[in-house]
Amino acid sequence: GAVVSQHPSRVICKSGTSVKIECRSLDFQATTMFWYRQFPKQSLMLMATSNEGSKATYEQGVEKDKFLINHASLTLSTLTVTSAHPEDSSFYICSADRDQSRDTQYFGPGTRLTVL
Amino acid sequence: TQLLEQSPQFLSIQEGENLTVYCNSSSVFSSLQWYRQEPGEGPVLLVTVVTGGEVKKLKRLTFQFGDARKDSSLHITAAQPGDTGLYLCAGARAGNMLTFGGGTRLMVKP
Repeated sequence: GAVVSQHPSRVICKSGTSVKIECRSLDFQATTMFWYRQFPKQSLMLMATSNEGSKATYEQGVEKDKFLINHASLTLSTLTVTSAHPEDSSFYICSADRDQSRDTQYFGPGTRLTVL
Repeated sequence: TQLLEQSPQFLSIQEGENLTVYCNSSSVFSSLQWYRQEPGEGPVLLVTVVTGGEVKKLKRLTFQFGDARKDSSLHITAAQPGDTGLYLCAGARAGNMLTFGGGTRLMVKP
């Protein structure tokens, strides 16, 4: 199978602090990883596309300076929420692209961020 | 912007009933995927449909891709409480980027 993990699964932080979320593909290499945000009772919204060794591509309306993405290896991408505020509280989900020719993404279990 | 409209948004039915969820767009997608998501977890892929008119079955779930590859449906036969969850359709576009529909929250009552 294709397993994607996320760490941490839950994080609570104070307003103004930064939080790093890790996304790992455990049994395959992922050239591309994606970061999504999901608010309660809503669908997934793509935040950015992360390509190994290059800058991430952000969707319209997503602040690249606030949501820092690093994809330093073929199995790890990180999302850092800088100077977090309560409105950043959400469920953050990553996915990894195992085989671009098959339009298949494998999703992580998500990270619940709560900013107090 | 390619949008996917999913309907209904919420569905509450009794065990044993049938249901259909629809996913519609004005755009063509290279493929369309259906996911199921449990609370507090990531989406789990159920099926990918690629060819216009394609029908795939997964036990009591039947997935269909429209002839023009703009729409899809998910039909569940004899729903069970274990089918309760959030069902999401997603269309694939260039670069394997996914556009998600708004989701259908299904509740099956015993």
